[in-house]
Amino acid sequence: DQQVKQNSPSLSVQEGRISILNCDYTHSMFGYFLWYKKYPAEGPTFLISISSIKDKNEDGRFTVFLNKSAKHLSLHIVPSQPGDSAVYFCAASGTSGSARQLTFGSGTQLTVLP
Amino acid sequence: DAGVIQSPRHEVTEMGQEVTLRCKPISGHNSLFWYRQTMMRGLELLIYFNNNVPIDDSGMPEDRFSAKMPNASFSTLKIQPSEPRDSAVYFCASSPRGAAAETQYFGPGTRLLVL
Repeated sequence: DQQVKQNSPSLSVQEGRISILNCDYTHSMFGYFLWYKKYPAEGPTFLISISSIKDKNEDGRFTVFLNKSAKHLSLHIVPSQPGDSAVYFCAASGTSGSARQLTFGSGTQLTVLP
Repeated sequence: DAGVIQSPRHEVTEMGQEVTLRCKPISGHNSLFWYRQTMMRGLELLIYFNNNVPIDDSGMPEDRFSAKMPNASFSTLKIQPSEPRDSAVYFCASSPRGAAAETQYFGPGTRLLVL
């Protein structure tokens, strides 16, 4: 059973518009959520994170929103740029007594069209 | 600053051969993680170390897989004997101690193909 789900395998957005990537999770005990970006032939790169005690975290063009009641988080990228085209992974930590283990979603391929 | 270093970047081997993947974490990081990425199962945690000690190896698929961390700057993941179903990209990641402990920094990965 997937504890972290990204139900959209792909998303296409026009340059300059907003990209919204979604993630759902099942465990209420997750304490920390992260987004990673991955380009082909490279390892995932940390993008932004949010603690479960917050509902929003912003860093430049990137904002992560957390809705604990719905067990849902989203990543907003505004404005989207062609260089943002990559696979985005949602990850969660803090289950099974270990704050360091990350559980990853399956990823969403974002394509930003020029 | 150098990031996480993995070697080799690509490995092609025949079924039954031993494969050893290597990782050098970021200096000063005290946790190290081995992941495997496949199309079917995505990114899976295989094992992780804290202060060179294995903490959780429940993700290691079977006894053919073993991992060691003899010191703070080096870890290996060994597969013996290798099988075609082991073909995947293997990532190593490290994280610092303290408030940023949840943030893991990944290496470029080793792409393994077992024929």
